[in-house]
Amino acid sequence: EAGVAQSPRYKIIEKRQSVAFWCNPISGHATLYWYQQILGQGPKLLIQFQNNGVVDDSQLPKDRFSAERLKGVDSTLKIQPAKLEDSAVYLCASSLFSMAVRSSYEQYFGPGTRLTVT
Amino acid sequence: GQQLNQSPQSMFIQEGEDVSMNCTSSSIFNTWLWYKQDPGEGPVLLIALYKAGELTSNGRLTAQFGITRKDSFLNISASIPSDVGIYFCAGPLGSARQLTFGSGTQLTVLP
Repeated sequence: EAGVAQSPRYKIIEKRQSVAFWCNPISGHATLYWYQQILGQGPKLLIQFQNNGVVDDSQLPKDRFSAERLKGVDSTLKIQPAKLEDSAVYLCASSLFSMAVRSSYEQYFGPGTRLTVT
Repeated sequence: GQQLNQSPQSMFIQEGEDVSMNCTSSSIFNTWLWYKQDPGEGPVLLIALYKAGELTSNGRLTAQFGITRKDSFLNISASIPSDVGIYFCAGPLGSARQLTFGSGTQLTVLP
């Protein structure tokens, strides 16, 4: 079974530029998450999708970050304009959706995109 | 918000030694997850715990769900060089199944 795919793996941009990340979740996983992981910290949730709808984006800095999952499968996360403090690893994760299945708590991560803003 | 406190923050051990690390919270969790993250990679799920007192193994790894439901423990027996990495505990927030993560335990295995 293929895992969560992300691209690009690395990106270096200057501040005030824009950048986009792509994620393809595990087949059949209805729930998709974007996390930001700053060096030395655990992942922090930015946004959660259920199919193509947003479940929670309360931690997403909406003045510069946006995300979409138009067809309920792939997702893109965009930053515009980037700031120095956006330098981090951006992780995508997916999980099954079912309120009746314990394993729906189990999230599976992609390799991440390491963003450096100079 | 809810915080998960992991300890120790880092560990240096000799190959072959056993390792213990833990995760505590001021809140009750119904699920505990343990992940390992290698450099340049995403976290990989090691063990999932769903019941207070539960003890679950995955090869040389054993994790326990504390009976107070406010803590969890991860043990690694007979450590090997590939055990090097950062180990994170995580637990779900609310009904949306969002995870909150600890700050990680950095494990170094010396030859």
